[in-house]
Amino acid sequence: DAEITQSPRHKITETGRQVTLACHQTWNHNNMFWYRQDLGHGLRLIHYSYGVQDTNKGEVSDGYSVSRSNTEDLPLTLESAASSQTSVYFCASSESAVKGSTEAFFGQGTRLTVV
Amino acid sequence: GQNIDQPTEMTATEGAIVQINCTYQTSGFNGLFWYQQHAGEAPTFLSYNVLDGLEEKGRFSSFLSRSKGYSYLLLKELQMKDSASYLCAVRDSNYQLIWGAGTKLIIKP
Repeated sequence: DAEITQSPRHKITETGRQVTLACHQTWNHNNMFWYRQDLGHGLRLIHYSYGVQDTNKGEVSDGYSVSRSNTEDLPLTLESAASSQTSVYFCASSESAVKGSTEAFFGQGTRLTVV
Repeated sequence: GQNIDQPTEMTATEGAIVQINCTYQTSGFNGLFWYQQHAGEAPTFLSYNVLDGLEEKGRFSSFLSRSKGYSYLLLKELQMKDSASYLCAVRDSNYQLIWGAGTKLIIKP
């Protein structure tokens, strides 16, 4: 069965360190997204990609970067981790929105703590 | 700005019916989604509405009124496993999903 997986599931890191969160999907979806989820907020979009070599900034992109070298993977990098980046991170993928309902499929999430 | 409003928390009784409302103000509209999220888990898709009216799927139904910027998710014959957060999301004119903060539904026996 197709799936979307994130790793690691839990991560503790120190302020100032570079951290990369992995996201791998086998749906063959063109669209991939990274969100963060914090109490009291909806899912907030960090970065997204509509295909290989395409990346775009979301509403909370400062301090984060992504790259899309193939269809399956969209790693998220925190260049210099800050305590404000402590959160649960979700990766998602979907088909092209012009196809209609195109629901997003989510990974299981990565709980990141910056100390 | 764009915003999605949902109640923060609701409580209902096992076997009963509950309606979770969602109102939205977005730049354009290209569909509304409802997702279910159990604590510590990923959101999972429940329903999609793009035209006005009611979409029924088993115990769950979702309604949309585009003119009022309003949707609701109706859950019938509530079961304990329905205890979860329910997320409303609207796809705007740029095909971006705008998410509400979610409604935590507590089911009591």
